[in-house]
Amino acid sequence: DAGVIQSPRHEVTEMGQEVTLRCKPISGHNSLFWYRQTMMRGLELLIYFNNNVPIDDSGMPEDRFSAKMPNASFSTLKIQPSEPRDSAVYFCASTPPQGGRTDTQYFGPGTRLTVL
Amino acid sequence: KNEVEQSPQNLTAQEGEFITINCSYSVGISALHWLQQHPGGGIVSLFMLSSGKKKHGRLIATINIQEKHSSLHITASHPRDSAVYICAPLSYNTDKLIFGTGTRLQVFP
Repeated sequence: DAGVIQSPRHEVTEMGQEVTLRCKPISGHNSLFWYRQTMMRGLELLIYFNNNVPIDDSGMPEDRFSAKMPNASFSTLKIQPSEPRDSAVYFCASTPPQGGRTDTQYFGPGTRLTVL
Repeated sequence: KNEVEQSPQNLTAQEGEFITINCSYSVGISALHWLQQHPGGGIVSLFMLSSGKKKHGRLIATINIQEKHSSLHITASHPRDSAVYICAPLSYNTDKLIFGTGTRLQVFP
């Protein structure tokens, strides 16, 4: 299996621009997580999907952030408009069926976002 | 006080040494994850445990639910074990993972 795939791996953009991060979970997994990691705050859960439905989006920082999972094999995290404080590494992770938050999570390589 | 405390924050060791990383938490949990983050940034889930002990190769994770404490042990440490190790309890009440700040381990040959 190819593992969790994220794209792009690196993104540099200017403040005010729209940014879209993409994630393809492991085939057959039905839970998907988006995390953000910064030096100041460490790892933070942004949103958690189960069977393509957002279960917990309380970690989404503000209305500028939105996430979708239109099908079991694809999810996006969008930031519009982006701000310098959004600069971070964004990770996507997935877990097998019935796993949810209590199963081993398989992480993607992350997208390093820099907002100038 | 943070809900999750890891110790030590930084750890250096010589190859072959036995390593222990500790994690204490203050909330009721349903499970606890140990993650490894490599110098290149990639994250690997090492263990998910809710009681007792788990072993995977040279890695051993233990948890004491009553004492709200977990430990990660590395036997016969190797330079390739150099990474940041992150403890992440799953809160029973909120069903959210609470991430520790991590322990940075460097193993020298």
